[in-house]
Amino acid sequence: KAGVTQTPRYLIKTRGQQVTLSCSPISGHRSVSWYQQTPGQGLQFLFEYFSETQRNKGNFPGRFSGRQFSNSRSEMNVSTLELGDSALYLCASSTRAATNEKLFFGSGTQLSVL
Amino acid sequence: AQTVTQSQPEMSVQEAETVTLSCTYDTSESDYYLFWYKQPPSRQMILVIRQEAYKQQNATENRFSVNFQKAAKSFSLKISDSQLGDAAMYFCAYRRDDKIIFGKGTRLHILP
Repeated sequence: KAGVTQTPRYLIKTRGQQVTLSCSPISGHRSVSWYQQTPGQGLQFLFEYFSETQRNKGNFPGRFSGRQFSNSRSEMNVSTLELGDSALYLCASSTRAATNEKLFFGSGTQLSVL
Repeated sequence: AQTVTQSQPEMSVQEAETVTLSCTYDTSESDYYLFWYKQPPSRQMILVIRQEAYKQQNATENRFSVNFQKAAKSFSLKISDSQLGDAAMYFCAYRRDDKIIFGKGTRLHILP
């Protein structure tokens, strides 16, 4: 069974641009969550989708948005990029959006904003 | 608000020895879940071990075990017989309902 796939692996953008990251969950998984990882702040929860609906959202500005498609694939969009958005963006999938579910992570997209 | 603290940014251990990574958390809830995740250089986070707060028995997965002290809000990870492949960042995480909070991680070095 293929794991969680994130594309692209690396991305370089300039301030003010927008970016879209993609996440394909493990087959059969309906929950996808996104995280931002930076050296200073560590790993922070962005949002979670289940069956195409956003279940909950972390404390990030509205420039960060996401969506989930009927095949459970998810995209995350960041508009008007800022230097501070440079980070590793990880997505994770699970079978259900439940508290004790094991999360399966992808290898992330490393975003650099110049 | 809930917080998760990993007080050791880096640790080193000799191969085959035992090492303990610390994690403390703050919550007013009684029912929640705690996790340890490992992030090797490949960047892919991998679940190491999971503990339900309502269970008094400490979770164990092969060489990995936890010392869960609910009253003290402490959740340390013990790695026995350390191997070179254990070198990674380790994150402690707290989850209840829709909220998941990670600690800032401990980088573990294995000395051959």
